[in-house]
Amino acid sequence: RKEVEQDPGPFNVPEGATVAFNCTYSNSASQSFFWYRQDCRKEPKLLMSVYSSGNEDGRFTAQLNRASQYISLLIRDSKLSDSATYLCVVNDYKLSFGAGTTVTVRA
Amino acid sequence: DAGVIQSPRHEVTEMGQEVTLRCKPISGHNSLFWYRQTMMRGLELLIYFNNNVPIDDSGMPEDRFSAKMPNASFSTLKIQPSEPRDSAVYFCASSLTQGEKLFFGSGTQLSVL
Repeated sequence: RKEVEQDPGPFNVPEGATVAFNCTYSNSASQSFFWYRQDCRKEPKLLMSVYSSGNEDGRFTAQLNRASQYISLLIRDSKLSDSATYLCVVNDYKLSFGAGTTVTVRA
Repeated sequence: DAGVIQSPRHEVTEMGQEVTLRCKPISGHNSLFWYRQTMMRGLELLIYFNNNVPIDDSGMPEDRFSAKMPNASFSTLKIQPSEPRDSAVYFCASSLTQGEKLFFGSGTQLSVL
């Protein structure tokens, strides 16, 4: 089983829609979690850290469910510029990346 | 802050040649990571350093790959001899400490012909 698993998508949504996707992890001792965004041919960039109580940053909401070992990302009122691959990152003793979920927002 | 700086941005070489990729982490960051990304395998951790010491090199594909960090502001990833299957984007990233959020360089696009 992979350490971090994500639905690859793609999720094709219209502008203004809400899109949400999950990431599961295998190591219950994992301590910290992050969502990164990667645009085509660019480096991954930190989108947000994920805290135990869940956290929100503008249109983006991240949730952590330790009991079921998954984290989620929800994007509200999606914009064309939200089109990207979203990488889930889990810290056990090293940072493990998921393969990414591709989101395409259409006009 | 200049961010993580990698060079070269692009490298095209012939099979059998030596390739050296370079990375300057963010000043004050104590952890440095080398990743490789391909369409087939995604983002793979090759090796990481804490305080200039290699901690985990289990991701290094084979002996043709080696990495060094002679000081806190510089690291190299060397492939000798290079093979076409090494073609990928190689990212360097640094973090304040192990387990903290990573900051990536712009990557080196390597093509081995």
